[in-house]
Amino acid sequence: GNSVTQMEGPVTLSEEAFLTINCTYTATGYPSLFWYVQYPGEGLQLLLKATKADDKGSNKGFEATYRKETTSFHLEKGSVQVSDSAVYFCALRGTGSQGNLIFGKGTKLSVKP
Amino acid sequence: DGGITQSPKYLFRKEGQNVTLSCEQNLNHDAMYWYRQDPGQGLRLIYYSQIVNDFQKGDIAEGYSVSREKKESFPLTVTSAQKNPTAFYLCASSIGQGATGELFFGEGSRLTVL
Repeated sequence: GNSVTQMEGPVTLSEEAFLTINCTYTATGYPSLFWYVQYPGEGLQLLLKATKADDKGSNKGFEATYRKETTSFHLEKGSVQVSDSAVYFCALRGTGSQGNLIFGKGTKLSVKP
Repeated sequence: DGGITQSPKYLFRKEGQNVTLSCEQNLNHDAMYWYRQDPGQGLRLIYYSQIVNDFQKGDIAEGYSVSREKKESFPLTVTSAQKNPTAFYLCASSIGQGATGELFFGEGSRLTVL
């Protein structure tokens, strides 16, 4: 079945540091890939997505590229801010009967001033 | 503003009691979902519904029940049969179940069993 594996946290960075959160997936066919973010005490919200190989999703300075050859969708940001502190979830959505979202376990990011 | 409203935000329950969590959306979305979130385990799907009067079990449906009598409402009942109900519960909706569909989440309900 489909699955998502993302790097375990927590990740602690200083403001303006470079961020990478690794995400790899297992899926049949051509899934869509997502990054969701959860700020403290809130639900999840979509950060970015990519629906086919080599697509790059981007939003709020975050980027991720859909790499089919390495089955990866790593999240990156060149310069993090304190306000980026949150839990980040990688997710996969298959096609047809496997169309529900499957989430990774989440990576908690703390950014210190 | 359009969105998903979950209530209550916090709920305490004694063992052996059933509780119902409310989820209402005004986004006119067809599909609705319930997820459970536990520390270090990410989100796990409990139930989902693609249309009114129809719903399907997710990965961890045991001890839970749902109904979908109206398009905008998808309440979740945590029954006394659920062995470990203390968790954060998230409701979500989407336009459809196609491969590009984005999920919109409510702010969650935190259930604690005393």
